[in-house]
Amino acid sequence: DIQMTQSPSSLSASVGDRVTITCRASQNISSFLNWYQHKSGKAPKFLIYAAFSLQSGVPSRFSGSGSGTDFTLTISSLQPDDFATYYCQQTYTNPGTFGRGTKVEIK
Amino acid sequence: EVQLLESGGGLVQPGGSLRLSCAASGFIFSSYAMSWVRQAPGKGLEWVSAISASGGSTYYADSVKGRFTISRDNSKNTLYLQMNSLRAEDTAVYYCAKDRERGYGDYVFDYWGQGTLVTVSS
Repeated sequence: DIQMTQSPSSLSASVGDRVTITCRASQNISSFLNWYQHKSGKAPKFLIYAAFSLQSGVPSRFSGSGSGTDFTLTISSLQPDDFATYYCQQTYTNPGTFGRGTKVEIK
Repeated sequence: EVQLLESGGGLVQPGGSLRLSCAASGFIFSSYAMSWVRQAPGKGLEWVSAISASGGSTYYADSVKGRFTISRDNSKNTLYLQMNSLRAEDTAVYYCAKDRERGYGDYVFDYWGQGTLVTVSS
């Protein structure tokens, strides 16, 4: 199975900060990498697919990059609505595997 | 607007059974593969099971194979998960999730429900 390692596991940031979350795959997954946002008690929200393609309706402050084994989710200017846990997911192999999540907290 | 609404969660004893439902609306349900994904307390997301758009093909995580059965009723726009021989480690919030692409299942989930909590405890 392909393992997905996210770092950091949590971070504290302020509104307006630039935030970067990293996801590393245990083997080459090309660009089969997706990102989700999850707030406790709510439905997870789909943000980015194929490493850098923004899902319709997702604010442009979110961006994704990377290929192969190393990927990044960047929030260019953190907004109050962005405090949540973020998960990466590889779908290079079915049924895909998720990272353990990165919790973004208010500083 | 796409909506997925899970129901059927609750408290059950080890070895017991539970049936989850997910009512879908806002899209052509019969055209999309669907999955169940769970999150145990303090843990990350774990894919549990998937079913093709027609219902003819089903897939399971090793941790639930032989105990859980996924099904769907396309006439009722509803997805199901029958859970038998439940264990404490099955305690989690269970989400239904819709595949992004019509037809084949690519396990990229563009819509999720809010989840239903299953607690397995004596």
